[in-house]
Amino acid sequence: ETGVTQTPRHLVMGMTNKKSLKCEQHLGHNAMYWYKQSAKKPLELMFVYNFKEQTENNSVPSRFSPECPNSSHLFLHLHTLQPEDSALYLCASSQGDGNYNEQFFGPGTRLTVL
Amino acid sequence: AQSVTQPDIHITVSEGASLELRCNYSYGATPYLFWYVQSPGQGLQLLLKYFSGDTLVQGIKGFEAEFKRSQSSFNLRKPSVHWSDAAEYFCAVGARNAGNMLTFGGGTRLMVKP
Repeated sequence: ETGVTQTPRHLVMGMTNKKSLKCEQHLGHNAMYWYKQSAKKPLELMFVYNFKEQTENNSVPSRFSPECPNSSHLFLHLHTLQPEDSALYLCASSQGDGNYNEQFFGPGTRLTVL
Repeated sequence: AQSVTQPDIHITVSEGASLELRCNYSYGATPYLFWYVQSPGQGLQLLLKYFSGDTLVQGIKGFEAEFKRSQSSFNLRKPSVHWSDAAEYFCAVGARNAGNMLTFGGGTRLMVKP
């Protein structure tokens, strides 16, 4: 595997379910990101991790819970979601060396909340 | 805070015709600027970036963009469009004092007529 991978690619869940999205990067990067892409809205940054520490939480509801066990893996735990949370969730990674570095994106997880 | 506007939600061009996608940003200093492309069902792929120096930037797939400080613009161009260029294009800006975070425009969907 190369680049940034995300699993599952598609997920359908009910509002009472608990599920997790997984992201893995094979680029040796130290920073990882979660974005939400909804129809007709700009890409929204949700969370940022640098060297496994969360450095940004963009006022995301607590029903979304990120976890970064190491620099290569990032999870987004989901519970009691709402239908308006249906979206494409994109993971990205970049070097976290203090300089400005481009972000590399995974293919996304298409989430549908019923 | 920085912001990005892509005035054209949809653009249709004929194959072989030239293309220009508009991007305007709002930021108090010289920003980092990016263009990404997203094909259906895929993540975002970086086309090109501007950090400093020459204001005309060359990217992949024959794309280029020009940074015009006086107009706060970073328009994307291609002299001859191919059918495979049909996708959604996103302009993004990074602030030099905001870590490695990006603010995205709403995107422009490009359709290519045969």
